[in-house]
Amino acid sequence: NAGVTQTPKFQVLKTGQSMTLQCAQDMNHEYMSWYRQDPGMGLRLIHYSVGAGITDQGEVPNGYNVSRSTTEDFPLRLLSAAPSQTSVYFCASSYSPTGVEETQYFGPGTRLLVL
Amino acid sequence: LAKTTQPISMDSYEGQEVNITCSHNNIATNDYITWYQQFPSQGPRFIIQGYKTKVTNEVASLFIPADRKSSTLSLPRVSLSDTAVYYCLVFSGTYKYIFGTGTRLKVLA
Repeated sequence: NAGVTQTPKFQVLKTGQSMTLQCAQDMNHEYMSWYRQDPGMGLRLIHYSVGAGITDQGEVPNGYNVSRSTTEDFPLRLLSAAPSQTSVYFCASSYSPTGVEETQYFGPGTRLLVL
Repeated sequence: LAKTTQPISMDSYEGQEVNITCSHNNIATNDYITWYQQFPSQGPRFIIQGYKTKVTNEVASLFIPADRKSSTLSLPRVSLSDTAVYYCLVFSGTYKYIFGTGTRLKVLA
């Protein structure tokens, strides 16, 4: 199992550009989520999905779009990048969205710099 | 959603036991308490999870009092490699895992 994979590892964007951060998992997990982590801060939930075709907003969804067409993939789209979106982005997954006794598995992160 | 509060930072020496307490006053009946560890430039990693009383695994112990409004992560005999940020997390079944700011543990030689 590769677990949770994210690409790219590092990206530099100019203000106003758009891009998609990729996330994939091979554990057949129903629940997937995206977090951002600013320097010295905790993780903030951007969007999450409880299964293919179902997504919802987290704490800080503005400026980001997601879709979930397959169980394996959960891409995060930045519509028009802003310097405030400079951060490290983590994708995570877990087996079931309904069980309270669940463990999330995190990817290695994508470091994004917006100039 | 239950919110968690932890100390911002702690220092310890190698070989000591470290206890990190998290308060979660609004914890719901069905909520579990989970702790994660995060090293620099890596994603968080699951350490331990519990519902009540005491849970122990090969890495840590988790103590939860009867009222469940707080929990304590115990790391026995820490080493330099335990230097990390530790997050307490309460999942309330609303599909949103909300992380707090975490506790930055520094282990000194």
